[in-house]
Amino acid sequence: NAGVTQTPKFQVLKTGQSMTLQCAQDMNHEYMSWYRQDPGMGLRLIHYSVGAGITDQGEVPNGYNVSRSTTEDFPLRLLSAAPSQTSVYFCASSVNSNQPQHFGDGTRLSIL
Amino acid sequence: RKEVEQDPGPFNVPEGATVAFNCTYSNSASQSFFWYRQDCRKEPKLLMSVYSSGNEDGRFTAQLNRASQYISLLIRDSKLSDSATYLCVAPNQAGTALIFGKGTTLSVSS
Repeated sequence: NAGVTQTPKFQVLKTGQSMTLQCAQDMNHEYMSWYRQDPGMGLRLIHYSVGAGITDQGEVPNGYNVSRSTTEDFPLRLLSAAPSQTSVYFCASSVNSNQPQHFGDGTRLSIL
Repeated sequence: RKEVEQDPGPFNVPEGATVAFNCTYSNSASQSFFWYRQDCRKEPKLLMSVYSSGNEDGRFTAQLNRASQYISLLIRDSKLSDSATYLCVAPNQAGTALIFGKGTTLSVSS
């Protein structure tokens, strides 16, 4: 049972490049979310989804797009990377938003 | 009021000490809360869930005060291995998503 899998684990981008961070879970969880973590800032919610075909914005959605075409996958897209998006990105999933979330290992993204 | 706020820390305590962290939340209708532990640059891991008045697991006790809208985490007999950042999680104002506090850093020394 793999749980929540994030790829890649590390990535360096140049300003203006686009990229998709992948997140997949094999637990048949309906609720999935993306967070970014910066020093001293805790985890801030970017986007979340309560089921396939349904997404919503979190605390810091600007510069990011998401889609949820299947229950298993919840990719996060950076359309035009900016240095301010340098961060550690965590994907998480749970049965619903009232249950504890399982986290992936994170993606460490640097934008030059 | 922010949706989830925590004591800023850091908390520096000796081994064997008892330490408590507080976390306030804004959604008065919230039913579920969580405490996570995060070690440096690793993913957060669930420590405790709180669905009613409180929960206890060994040296760790979480309590919920609905009237004042806060939850607390009490750690008794602190160990060196308890050194980490503790994150409080609660539903957002709409009740549709889970929001993290900024975290409280605990350092236990010998």
